[in-house]
Amino acid sequence: DGGITQSPKYLFRKEGQNVTLSCEQNLNHDAMYWYRQDPGQGLRLIYYSQIVNDFQKGDIAEGYSVSREKKESFPLTVTSAQKNPTAFYLCATRPRDSSIQNTEAFFGQGTRLTVV
Amino acid sequence: KNQVEQSPQSLIILEGKNCTLQCNYTVSPFSNLRWYKQDTGRGPVSLTIMTFSENTKSNGRYTATLDADTKQSSLHITASQLSDSASYICVVSPGEMEYGNKLVFGAGTILRVKS
Repeated sequence: DGGITQSPKYLFRKEGQNVTLSCEQNLNHDAMYWYRQDPGQGLRLIYYSQIVNDFQKGDIAEGYSVSREKKESFPLTVTSAQKNPTAFYLCATRPRDSSIQNTEAFFGQGTRLTVV
Repeated sequence: KNQVEQSPQSLIILEGKNCTLQCNYTVSPFSNLRWYKQDTGRGPVSLTIMTFSENTKSNGRYTATLDADTKQSSLHITASQLSDSASYICVVSPGEMEYGNKLVFGAGTILRVKS
């Protein structure tokens, strides 16, 4: 069954801990993205990757880290340096296509992270 | 600054009624505009895409319009159903042709359909 799998669905973190959110896709899409969603705000881009072994900072990268060792996987680590990590995190992918400007972003089901 | 503003923030309607959601954007250059539906606790799913040359597009009971001159879009929902209860997000894609082009997201309109 094709798609994007984010895990876990819910995650609780103690202050000072690092946690890693998983994002796996079998859509064979080249580009992968991590967004953060907070109530009353639009999605904000944390990191994105266009190809394996390459990734770029988004608008709010501080306190986060990523890796792209495989095309299928783009894990996000929320470090202790992130001051307000409680949020809903969404992973997305886009295919490489000649009409890139119209390609759809496909989203996973999200991970809700709560700091306790 | 590229921005997308949506209104209203939230809306409650009775089942069977129609409603219209608004999206104003300042993104330039403009490539396309998508409306996404996001159920609570789930990821957004694309409903429709509007490119510069398109004025209206329908997807079942959903009809999107675009006025590229005034930089406004609307999403009209006809004969609402309980399953339409969700957040509707307007997303604008800038004109730069690269994967890193940053999609600009509105904050969404939360729609609740009551029986």
